[in-house]
Amino acid sequence: QVQLVQSGAEVKKPGASVKVSCKASGYTFTNYDVNWVRQATGQGLEWMGWMNPISTNTGYAERFQGRVTMTRNTSISTAYMELSSLRSDDTAVYYCATSVGSAGLTWGQGTVVTVSS
Amino acid sequence: DIVMTQSPDSLAVSLGERATINCKSSQSILYSSNNKNYLAWYQQKSGQPPKLLIYWASTRASGVPDRFSGSGSGTDFTLTISSLQAEDVAIYHCQQYYTTPRITFGQGTRLEIK
Repeated sequence: QVQLVQSGAEVKKPGASVKVSCKASGYTFTNYDVNWVRQATGQGLEWMGWMNPISTNTGYAERFQGRVTMTRNTSISTAYMELSSLRSDDTAVYYCATSVGSAGLTWGQGTVVTVSS
Repeated sequence: DIVMTQSPDSLAVSLGERATINCKSSQSILYSSNNKNYLAWYQQKSGQPPKLLIYWASTRASGVPDRFSGSGSGTDFTLTISSLQAEDVAIYHCQQYYTTPRITFGQGTRLEIK
């Protein structure tokens, strides 16, 4: 079955960068876009951007432009999201998600990123 | 960007009663060429990632109980739970994919037991 397994929790200082990984299995990784979505505590889901694993085309939400980079390693079916210049309000759970077999999204388990001095 | 607005923000319903959650898009998400509404619903239980319930506004995902149903078209959509069970306590999110790959979500609706 389709599965997305994300890297573990991170604690970062303000101004640092974080890189979260998302390993795909159960489907052909290069056939489907990967989205990244985050959720601060008690808040809704916020779409950050997408990446096409074959073309490496990306699209980022305006508020993350210049701070986020989405990449992939097709040899290990893994997508990455790097967020730089971290601030305290970047503290959130970060999810990867893809759409395989239906028009809805299948989600990774989430990665907690805490930004604190 | 298409803005998705859910109502209410929170809802308390008695066990066995009907729960209704609304989602409104700032523009139509009905694609005329295929007559499909590009809307999905997700259920998110505490400490878990979202789980797909409904796509194309009314198609249940695999394994989803038939007490969950989706309806609506154009800009106005509804998720209905016909007979609330204890395990349905969760936050429910709507999402448009009309502008795929750029997608947007509603703010979420918290559903509790009365």
